[in-house]
Amino acid sequence: GAGVSQTPSNKVTEKGKYVELRCDPISGHTALYWYRQSLGQGPEFLIYFQGTGAADDSGLPNDRFFAVRPEGSVSTLKIQRTERGDSAVYLCASSLQGGETQYFGPGTRLLVL
Amino acid sequence: GENVEQHPSTLSVQEGDSAVIKCTYSDSASNYFPWYKQELGKRPQLIIDIRSNVGEKKDQRIAVTLNKTAKHFSLHITETQPEDSAVYFCAASRTGTASKLTFGTGTRLQVTL
Repeated sequence: GAGVSQTPSNKVTEKGKYVELRCDPISGHTALYWYRQSLGQGPEFLIYFQGTGAADDSGLPNDRFFAVRPEGSVSTLKIQRTERGDSAVYLCASSLQGGETQYFGPGTRLLVL
Repeated sequence: GENVEQHPSTLSVQEGDSAVIKCTYSDSASNYFPWYKQELGKRPQLIIDIRSNVGEKKDQRIAVTLNKTAKHFSLHITETQPEDSAVYFCAASRTGTASKLTFGTGTRLQVTL
């Protein structure tokens, strides 16, 4: 079946703008995770959804970052008033349920100019 | 929170030799330890994982060992091939609502002919 997909694959924006990043998990996966990967680093956790609710949002760096998963499937990561330091690859992963193997999407490469 | 350290940061081996990458973790409640391979510009791909109820797991040329007492786990790749060249990340997590992955900083493996 289809893997995790993310759109857009690349996003270039200007400092101060608003961006939305989308994740389509593997069908039937109830758990969805967002991570951020800076160049040369490992992925860093942002937020975890179990179904429609955020079970753990402890990794969100500040209140400019917000994520939703209204129907328990597709998720959107929203970043307000983007800063140059937000530039990174944003990875989404899904698993059958929390604690199971996480499968990653290809990521969205965000560049804030 | 969990902290995962990974060594070495770079590793160069000749084709056919073995490669070993080591990780330590800090949270004694962590019970799931996956290893991901990431090629340049690609998504992290799971290559092997181990849960805390076993000490070793093997899949063809790849094996992982876990020492819960010492809180460390290792990846072993035998008979390395050029296509094994990539960045490898170890990670640790708990299950349930604390199932976010905490990643190591990565090991760049280069297999030379």
